[in-house]
Parts: sequence; C-alpha cells; structure tokens
Amino acid sequence: DAMVIQNPRYQVTQFGKPVTLSCSQTLNHNVMYWYQQKSSQAPKLLFHYYDKDFNNEADTPDNFQSRRPNTSFCFLDIRSPGLGDAAMYLCATSRGGGRAFQETQYFGPGTRLLVL
Amino acid sequence: KNEVEQSPQNLTAQEGEFITINCSYSVGIGALHWLQQHPGGGIVSLFMLSSGKKKHGRLIATINIQEKHSSLHITASHPRDSAVYICAVTGTASKLTFGTGTRLQVTL
Repeated sequence: DAMVIQNPRYQVTQFGKPVTLSCSQTLNHNVMYWYQQKSSQAPKLLFHYYDKDFNNEADTPDNFQSRRPNTSFCFLDIRSPGLGDAAMYLCATSRGGGRAFQETQYFGPGTRLLVL
Repeated sequence: KNEVEQSPQNLTAQEGEFITINCSYSVGIGALHWLQQHPGGGIVSLFMLSSGKKKHGRLIATINIQEKHSSLHITASHPRDSAVYICAVTGTASKLTFGTGTRLQVTL
C-alpha cells in the first residue's frame, strides 16, 4: 500500500546531541511537511518542501533543519535538542497539484522524541 | 480568539449514540479538513470539503460557507471511534490551521 513511513517511531536523545528523524513516502507526492506536536496541543507546521523548494515557517527555530534528497525522502535534523523539543514529530505529504490548498494531506505515524 | 474553534472540547457518548462535533472558523478558506488522531499519535484524514456534504461509512461532514461552520457527525458510534477529532482549514496555500481538537470517548 502507498503510504507515509516514519523512522524511528520512538527516539531518545540527550540534551544537545544532534538527532535526525526520517520520513519516506511511496505516494510520489510533490509536497512534504514536518509538524511538531506537543502534548495536548495542535500540530505546528515547522516547514515544508514543494518539490525541491524549501519553505520555512517564520517562527521555526534555527535549531531545526530539513533535507529532501529526492522525492521519496525527507529528513528533520535537530542540531542541539533541548528539553522543550520533546514532542511528536509528524511528517505529511500532499500531491502538490495546481490547487494545493484543496488537497488531502497524508500523515505518517509520527516519531515521538524524548530528550534526556 | 483562535481562527478555528471546535466544540465541544471533550465528549463522552455511549455506544450507538449519534455524535456531532462542531467547527467554526473566522478566516477565508480554500478547504476544510476533518482529521482523526488516535492515542499514539498517527493522524488520518477523514474528509476534505469546500462545500456541501460528504459521507463515508458512518461519518458525515457538512460545511456552510456563508456561516463559516462545519459539522462532523458519527452515526451509531462505537468504542473504536474514540479519538481526538481535529478540524483544520487551508487558505490560499496548503498550510493547515488547526482547531483545538475534540476528544471523544465512546463507552460500551
């Protein structure tokens, strides 16, 4: 089945130790999103790629970076995780046609990050 | 005031009951999305609509563009429907603006 896959599902890291979260998709979608969701809060968009074009949200900390080496894969890099970065990180995709604002977003299962 | 408001915040129902979750928004939209999030995190898109009504199984979503209001209905509710239901809207870009979510618990 076509899907959005995130690895790992759970990630434990130490304060200040860089960590990379992975997302892959078999949907061949042009757009890939990274969301951060803290406990009992709505997801917050960090950034998204429209094909190779990177779109950063204005309030996303510089500590968060992303890479998209090809259509299928997208990575979230947290350069120096702090305790406040502990959250669920959700990857999503959408087709990215002419009316992207009217497209369904397909979410992965998420990676829960714990910072010790 | 949030741009997307949901009510109720929490809802408990008995199995078999008809459930309605409401969403009001204050911005112009390209589309409105209803999402389901189970404990453990994964989000599933239930509906995307920009007018009228959509139905999928026991789920029905309606939207009134003039009143800037949408409802999600669940008929014959079941414990497996227990989840957080999230209303979200897009404007002229694909960025989702999320509501605060409605936590639904369906008991036997």
